[in-house]
Amino acid sequence: GQNIDQPTEMTATEGAIVQINCTYQTSGFNGLFWYQQHAGEAPTFLSYNVLDGLEEKGRFSSFLSRSKGYSYLLLKELQMKDSASYLCAVRDRDYKLSFGAGTTVTVRA
Amino acid sequence: IAGITQAPTSQILAAGRRMTLRCTQDMRHNAMYWYRQDLGLGLRLIHYSNTAGTTGKGEVPDGYSVSRANTDDFPLTLASAVPSQTSVYFCASSETGTAGAETQYFGPGTRLLVL
Repeated sequence: GQNIDQPTEMTATEGAIVQINCTYQTSGFNGLFWYQQHAGEAPTFLSYNVLDGLEEKGRFSSFLSRSKGYSYLLLKELQMKDSASYLCAVRDRDYKLSFGAGTTVTVRA
Repeated sequence: IAGITQAPTSQILAAGRRMTLRCTQDMRHNAMYWYRQDLGLGLRLIHYSNTAGTTGKGEVPDGYSVSRANTDDFPLTLASAVPSQTSVYFCASSETGTAGAETQYFGPGTRLLVL
């Protein structure tokens, strides 16, 4: 099984940078995903890491260290629309995802 | 419109009643999933299906059943609803079986209240 931890809440100012950490313990690692979920909506895919290192996609970047069981999602140049929950999910060798409880990010003007 | 649809959008159900949540995808994905999302607990996998004709149990399968008669549809049935099944239910689908970034795509969710 998987044990996935991420902070419950974070607050940041518009235009700033926020880093959301995720640690995991897994019995079979086959990739790590980050999803964004706005209140009352479905989760949507943000990023995917399977090898160590940084993946950059515009204002969002995700980092993975498999040896440390650690990932982070970096949100740059924060905008009000980035206020949402961010879900860390680990995929096992059967292609099933296990999700963390999510981090609610509030962006303030 | 391509994607995943779920029905109903929301439902209030009396305890003890039987209920089927519907999920349909038109992306021809092999795999489909049912999750429930509860405050503070995140998304938890109820049941999944890697291909039509097969199903498997997830983390919290008790009280739920599924079937996968074809590629597109994956209904979730609560045989006798209990208040602890009050939750938001998300259906998802993905390609599977390849070592790539195939992500899961989620439907809009069904909000269920069991009284």
